[in-house]
Amino acid sequence: SQQGEEDPQALSIQEGENATMNCSYKTSINNLQWYRQNSGRGLVHLILIRSNEREKHSGRLRVTLDTSKKSSSLLITASRAADTASYFCATGNQGGKLIFGQGTELSVKP
Amino acid sequence: EAGVAQSPRYKIIEKRQSVAFWCNPISGHATLYWYQQILGQGPKLLIQFQNNGVVDDSQLPKDRFSAERLKGVDSTLKIQPAKLEDSAVYLCASSLDGVRGSPLHFGNGTRLTVT
Repeated sequence: SQQGEEDPQALSIQEGENATMNCSYKTSINNLQWYRQNSGRGLVHLILIRSNEREKHSGRLRVTLDTSKKSSSLLITASRAADTASYFCATGNQGGKLIFGQGTELSVKP
Repeated sequence: EAGVAQSPRYKIIEKRQSVAFWCNPISGHATLYWYQQILGQGPKLLIQFQNNGVVDDSQLPKDRFSAERLKGVDSTLKIQPAKLEDSAVYLCASSLDGVRGSPLHFGNGTRLTVT
């Protein structure tokens, strides 16, 4: 079963622009994580935000979490062609079970 | 540190045959996961191990899929017999302590094609 749903499913932007991806989920969570997947490769962890946190930054990444709305957003600032990939949110429960959404396919054009 | 190793990288089999995938997690990682990723979709959790015990296998089709993690280190995932709908990438991931919410480290996966 899928817990998170990403929006939009696909996003195409120019290099230098910002990219925002949203994730909504249904049940209570312990943490929410974002991963990136390049074509033909495994997923790479980007950032983790715990249920008692509202915002986190890592380099050009900014993640927000609103537990009252059961939603999260990932902002990539000043995007680069190398950011082209699929991005997945994943919700973690108390037992460490991590459920992934369907992903957002980001294309950054040079 | 060495990453999560998976083999084989690719496998093509006919339906009703059996297949096995192998995973070697990062040394010292207590939690090991197997995910199935169908083209264009997000990874679907099949089974989660904590050391050599199963934490969650609610989504594992137990009539045909089996997995084990002997001695709490390496793991194998087996499909017997395979169906056409099993065509997917099988991803193994490990975590220092997934139960406490540590991030997952993924291998590059095994791409299975069932004909």
